[in-house]
Amino acid sequence: AQSVAQPEDQVNVAEGNPLTVKCTYSVSGNPYLFWYVQYPNRGLQFLLKYITGDNLVKGSYGFEAEFNKSQTSFHLKKPSALVSDSALYFCAVGGANNLFFGTGTRLTVIP
Amino acid sequence: DAGITQSPRHKVTETGTPVTLRCHQTENHRYMYWYRQDPGHGLRLIHYSYGVKDTDKGEVSDGYSVSRSKTEDFLLTLESATSSQTSVYFCAISESGLARDTQYFGPGTRLTVL
Repeated sequence: AQSVAQPEDQVNVAEGNPLTVKCTYSVSGNPYLFWYVQYPNRGLQFLLKYITGDNLVKGSYGFEAEFNKSQTSFHLKKPSALVSDSALYFCAVGGANNLFFGTGTRLTVIP
Repeated sequence: DAGITQSPRHKVTETGTPVTLRCHQTENHRYMYWYRQDPGHGLRLIHYSYGVKDTDKGEVSDGYSVSRSKTEDFLLTLESATSSQTSVYFCAISESGLARDTQYFGPGTRLTVL
């Protein structure tokens, strides 16, 4: 069975500081991992995904994610947070004909 | 939002009435999905389609039906709406149904069942 967990409902970070949004996963087989962002009253926007290869994946808007097989984690990171990064972030794991989502983490960047 | 539109964007209805939500894509992707988003649950799959007239159930399909008569359109119907179906509904598309394939999402429909 595929599942992901986002242990933090809310993350606050000061503008200009690095940010991390955590995700751990449980899969049978190879993990295909995704990050999406949702701005208020909008759909989900794809940020990045890990399929295979380099453990550091770079995505849109300066975000990156680090895949760690031994810790079964796929944390989202950004070196310097912007106020405009404030949004709801979802981690997901790919399954056949489905995406299994975490419950989401609300990121607030404080000016 | 990747050439995906949903209609209506907002709807308020009463318990027991039928409701149909529409998803339209201009990307010619083979796979289309319907998810619902609820606090504390993230997004959960209701139904998906892998081609015209080819559909299958997701994890929360009870009370919902779907139809796909054209590649570009995927309809979600609540035959008799209940308050538990108050939610935000998202359509998504992908080129294949493979686990590694990216899904792209529409803007969502907010449905309130009174």
